Amino acid sequence: EAEVAQSPRYKITEKSQAVAFWCDPISGHATLYWYRQILGQGPELLVQFQDESVVDDSQLPKDRFSAERLKGVDSTLKIQPAELGDSAMYLCASSPRGQGGTEAFFGQGTRLTVV
Amino acid sequence: AQSVTQPDIHITVSEGASLELRCNYSYGATPYLFWYVQSPGQGLQLLLKYFSGDTLVQGIKGFEAEFKRSQSSFNLRKPSVHWSDAAEYFCAVGAGNTDKLIFGTGTRLQVFP
Repeated sequence: EAEVAQSPRYKITEKSQAVAFWCDPISGHATLYWYRQILGQGPELLVQFQDESVVDDSQLPKDRFSAERLKGVDSTLKIQPAELGDSAMYLCASSPRGQGGTEAFFGQGTRLTVV
Repeated sequence: AQSVTQPDIHITVSEGASLELRCNYSYGATPYLFWYVQSPGQGLQLLLKYFSGDTLVQGIKGFEAEFKRSQSSFNLRKPSVHWSDAAEYFCAVGAGNTDKLIFGTGTRLQVFP
């Protein structure tokens, strides 16, 4: 069964360091999402890609966060510098076309702890 | 703006008892509605979805949900809960034509034997 792959599963980093997460969506899915889930809350969209283009990054803290999907397949989310408040679960999801009426499939997530 | 409210933060039920988790949404048009389940430290698994048509939708693991437009609700139900159902449950609405999901804050389900 096709799955969304994420790595690493867990990451501990010190404040002010750089950290990166990787996501490989289900093959053929044009739309890729990065969500952030703070403990005790629901996920919140950080950035959405349609192929290699950003569709929505309105909630992405652009002073420290960046995301890319260069070839329209896998994607990397980077934080530099990391802050204590960035501790959260980072979830990647993909869907076939992202044009309404399709479901998103989620990866296992990356649990980030900033110390 | 779109929003989802899950009024129950934590629910405890006995194994074998029935379950209803509440979800209310705010959305201007006909919504796409979802219920996801999350086990500790894991990603989200889709339980069921409503796009259109029959307002009572069946999902995996014996779950069902009913869309009630007049009440702006999409409550999740299960007639008999199993211990393995203990998890966090999230209701979500699909926003517009991008499939961006707006999530509620979740309901933690605890099941006693």
